[in-house]
Amino acid sequence: EAQVTQNPRYLITVTGKKLTVTCSQNMNHEYMSWYRQDPGLGLRQIYYSMNVEVTDKGDVPEGYKVSRKEKRNFPLILESPSPNQTSLYFCASGGGTSGAYNEQFFGPGTRLTVL
Amino acid sequence: ILNVEQSPQSLHVQEGDSTNFTCSFPSSNFYALHWYRWETAKSPEALFVMTLNGDEKKKGRISATLNTKEGYSYLYIKGSQPEDSATYLCAPILTGGGNKLTFGTGTQLKVEL
Repeated sequence: EAQVTQNPRYLITVTGKKLTVTCSQNMNHEYMSWYRQDPGLGLRQIYYSMNVEVTDKGDVPEGYKVSRKEKRNFPLILESPSPNQTSLYFCASGGGTSGAYNEQFFGPGTRLTVL
Repeated sequence: ILNVEQSPQSLHVQEGDSTNFTCSFPSSNFYALHWYRWETAKSPEALFVMTLNGDEKKKGRISATLNTKEGYSYLYIKGSQPEDSATYLCAPILTGGGNKLTFGTGTQLKVEL
C-alpha cells in the first residue's frame, strides 16, 4: 500500500531534550516536506527536500533541522525543543520531478507536546 | 511569506445545499494551485492541482475553477452531504518562490442534516 508513515504518532517531552520524528514514504517520491499545524494558523511548511541531499527552508524553519540521506526517509530533528514547538506535525511527499507541483500525500501526523 | 486568503473562514449549510468558497493569491508569477480536503482527525488529501487560467476540474460533486489573471480560485460543492464536512485548503505555488507550499488557513465546512 502506497503510504507515508510517521513515528512516533504521539510524543510528550521536556524542554531541551533532543528528539527526532521519522518520516518514510514507499512511493519513490523525490519531494518531501514537513509541516506544523496550529489552531488559527493552518498548515505551515517547515522544511522541504527536492531530492537526496537537497533540502531547503520553508516558512517556519527556526528551531528545526532535517536531513535527506535516503530518498524514502526525511526525519525532522528538534535539537532543543521548546514549548512553542508544541504542535501537530505532518510529513508529506509528492511524485515526479517538478518539486511541489504534484499532489502531496500526507502522513498521519505526530502530536508533539513540549513541557 | 506568500499571502494566501481563503474565505469564508467557516460555513454551515444544510444537506442538499450547494456551496462555494474562495482562495485568493498574488496573481503575478503564478505557477500552480493545489486544493486539499482535510477531515477532522485525518490527514489532508489532495483534490486538485490546477495550472491554466480558466481551468476547471471536477471530482464527483466537487469542482474548482481558476483565474490566474486576477489571482483567485473557487471551489464548488454541489448538493452538499454530511460527509463533505471538512476543512478545504488551498496552496498556490509561484515561480521564483522555490518549491515552497504555502497553505491558506482554510474554509471549514459543516453540512447539517
